[in-house]
Amino acid sequence: DIQVTQYPSTLSGYVGDRVTMSCRASESISRMLAWYQQKPGKAPKLLIYEASKLEDGVPSRFSGSGSGTEFTLTISSLQPDDFATYHCQDYGSYSRKFGQGTRVEIK
Amino acid sequence: EVQLLESGGGLVQPGESLRLSCAASGFIFGNHAVHWVRQTPGQGLEWVSGISGSGRNTFSADFVKGRFTTSRDTSKNIFYLHMSSLRVEDTAIYFCAKMRGLVINDPFDVWGQGTLVIVS
Repeated sequence: DIQVTQYPSTLSGYVGDRVTMSCRASESISRMLAWYQQKPGKAPKLLIYEASKLEDGVPSRFSGSGSGTEFTLTISSLQPDDFATYHCQDYGSYSRKFGQGTRVEIK
Repeated sequence: EVQLLESGGGLVQPGESLRLSCAASGFIFGNHAVHWVRQTPGQGLEWVSGISGSGRNTFSADFVKGRFTTSRDTSKNIFYLHMSSLRVEDTAIYFCAKMRGLVINDPFDVWGQGTLVIVS
């Protein structure tokens, strides 16, 4: 069973900062990785799929990269609306594993 | 607009059964798989079960096989998660989520608001 690990678990930043978070799969998943944003009490929202493709309507300050086992999500200029928890997901495997999440907090 | 709306959550005792519903609208039923994902309070997301767009194939995580099954009623546009032999560790918010594309492996692009199941 492929395991998915996100790091760091918490990230602090100021509005305007460039922040990067990572996701690692225990074996290669090609580019079948998605990133979701979740705010408290809400459902996750799809941001990026196929590692780097931006979902319709998602601001261009979000970008994804990587393939195989290492992936990153970057927010180029942190905005007040971006403070949330971000989850990665390996959707290519049967178990469709999610990472444990990275919470982005205001510094 | 594509929408999913869950219902059916509640408080049950260990060993009991519960059926969750997910009312779907705004997309062609037979084109997209719908899955169930749960989230324990303060914890991460965990895929539970799903049904293909055709309805011919169902999928379940190992930890719920034999206990949970997914079905759908095309006449009502409703998906169901049938849960039996519930355990304390099944306590979670359960979301239904639509698969983005038409292939068997795609991310989830539309989610319901979730329904809380407490097993105690």
